[in-house]
Amino acid sequence: GESVGLHLPTLSVQEGDNSIINCAYSNSASDYFIWYKQESGKGPQFIIDIRSNMDKRQGQRVTVLLNKTVKHLSLQIAATQPGDSAVYFCAETLNTGGFKTIFGAGTRLFVKA
Amino acid sequence: EAGVAQSPRYKIIEKRQSVAFWCNPISGHATLYWYQQILGQGPKLLIQFQNNGVVDDSQLPKDRFSAERLKGVDSTLKIQPAKLEDSAVYLCASSTQGDNQPQHFGDGTRLSIL
Repeated sequence: GESVGLHLPTLSVQEGDNSIINCAYSNSASDYFIWYKQESGKGPQFIIDIRSNMDKRQGQRVTVLLNKTVKHLSLQIAATQPGDSAVYFCAETLNTGGFKTIFGAGTRLFVKA
Repeated sequence: EAGVAQSPRYKIIEKRQSVAFWCNPISGHATLYWYQQILGQGPKLLIQFQNNGVVDDSQLPKDRFSAERLKGVDSTLKIQPAKLEDSAVYLCASSTQGDNQPQHFGDGTRLSIL
């Protein structure tokens, strides 16, 4: 069935360390993937996206890796800061006639000072 | 640019009452989405509009939920009558028209059913 899941519900890292948040997806037809950050009391905020014809994309301090062979997506945050503490969602989009986006359950990232 | 605006921010009602949420998307965004986010879960799509037409409402509980986007700009989502399990944050998002466009979210309406 269609599902997007995350390997770890919580992740705790030391300030300055790199963070890696993982996500598994099950639909091989998905062709667009997005990472969102959600802080308490706010809506999800777009971080970075990647299309299925790519396997890596870099932004400012963030990198997304896509492994279509094992249907795995990861978000790497370099030099994690206290402001990075939030819940991170991966989402996949597949073409079902329209474009349907499915969110995973999320990973909560704690950054220790 | 101004973000997605939603109101109210909070709403508390008793079960069986009705409630309505309002969303104003980013100017020029043709696609508008309503999501339900239950505490501890990811957002779940309720309905997706392309201009004033419905693209996907397969997960909308149509016996109690309704939504409209009459002029293709702002939108309202209504629940009537509300049930306890409707307690959640209702998020509105918008995106530009076209394949694979990121969605921009408002801060949501937190609904509590007593």
